Amino acid sequence: GQQVMQIPQYQHVQEGEDFTTYCNSSTTLSNIQWYKQRPGGHPVFLIQLVKSGEVKKQKRLTFQFGEAKKNSSLHITATQTTDVGTYFCAGLPAGSYQLTFGKGTKLSVIP
Amino acid sequence: NAGVTQTPKFQVLKTGQSMTLQCAQDMNHNSMYWYRQDPGMGLRLIYYSASEGTTDKGEVPNGYNVSRLNKREFSLRLESAAPSQTSVYFCATNSGTHRGEQYFGPGTRLTVT
Repeated sequence: GQQVMQIPQYQHVQEGEDFTTYCNSSTTLSNIQWYKQRPGGHPVFLIQLVKSGEVKKQKRLTFQFGEAKKNSSLHITATQTTDVGTYFCAGLPAGSYQLTFGKGTKLSVIP
Repeated sequence: NAGVTQTPKFQVLKTGQSMTLQCAQDMNHNSMYWYRQDPGMGLRLIYYSASEGTTDKGEVPNGYNVSRLNKREFSLRLESAAPSQTSVYFCATNSGTHRGEQYFGPGTRLTVT
């Protein structure tokens, strides 16, 4: 079946260090979305990327969508303790109505 | 506006018992979804409803049934709970295009013993 692989599964960083999580799909995606889930909370939408090669920024967060629309990344510059949580990518395979979520990257930030 | 609400927040069931998880939204969205989240597994789609009166199976529908009661409400029923259904269940909605952002409820944490 359609899969979205996300790495790494865990990442521990010192506060101020950068962080990146990567998603790869086995099929071409119509779009990719990113969500953040705080411990004990529910997923909260961050952004959606639609175009091949698209790059979007939200303050310290940079999101990229690959040229082939099969991979994506989220980069956080100078992490803060408020960045703690699990980051999920979710891809919508071309021709499908179902978002496929990656397994997430759990970010811990050491103050 | 409450957004997406789910009841109950927590539930413990014995194997073989039945229960219904409730989800309601006041966002006037057409599409509603039920996901389960297990440690290290991400979110997996159980069922979804593109509009009132329609439902479709997702990735992991076995052991579950759903009802789209009206535009606001989408319930998930476990007829005979099994320990493998121990999970956190999230309801989500979006405006109906399947391409837009999904809004999640707070979740129901279910334990089946």
